Amino acid sequence: GQQLNQSPQSMFIQEGEDVSMNCTSSSIFNTWLWYKQDPGEGPVLLIALYKAGELTSNGRLTAQFGITRKDSFLNISASIPSDVGIYFCAGQLREYGNKLVFGAGTILRVKS
Amino acid sequence: EAGVAQSPRYKIIEKRQSVAFWCNPISGHATLYWYQQILGQGPKLLIQFQNNGVVDDSQLPKDRFSAERLKGVDSTLKIQPAKLEDSAVYLCASSFDRGNQPQHFGDGTRLSIL
Repeated sequence: GQQLNQSPQSMFIQEGEDVSMNCTSSSIFNTWLWYKQDPGEGPVLLIALYKAGELTSNGRLTAQFGITRKDSFLNISASIPSDVGIYFCAGQLREYGNKLVFGAGTILRVKS
Repeated sequence: EAGVAQSPRYKIIEKRQSVAFWCNPISGHATLYWYQQILGQGPKLLIQFQNNGVVDDSQLPKDRFSAERLKGVDSTLKIQPAKLEDSAVYLCASSFDRGNQPQHFGDGTRLSIL
């Protein structure tokens, strides 16, 4: 089945630093999404990418849909304490009924 | 706009018992999803409904899990009998339709099996 490899597994950074995480797959996707999950809550959509090569920003967050359609990255600039949480990438493919396939997540901790 | 509502938030049962979870999607959302999220992993789709019909239940362990969405709005997910490996967070999500519309998640039910 489809699998997403998300890295790094965890990061512990200083407040103010920039963060980068990525997701790769052996399968292509039509859509890449990035979600954030806080403890005890459901995932919240941060950014959705619909076209290969697309670069999209949402405040301090920037994500890109890889040209090969097999990868995506998420950058967070000037991290702040409330950025703490688990970040998940997810891929969607029309041929599979637009089912979401999730990566295992990147745990982000921020030192203030 | 009210979000996806789920109840209960927590449930502790013994193995071989039964349990049911309830989900109320965002108003007007035709598509409803149930996910299982095991600790340390991303959510995994169990079943997808379009209105009151099942679109995809290929990853639902049908010998013990069942789900319904009788009137095309609320949904229930049941486990009977529960096994230790069913300990997880069960997330419900909804989207406007089956296309690539964003899925919005509830806060989930955390199930612990003793």
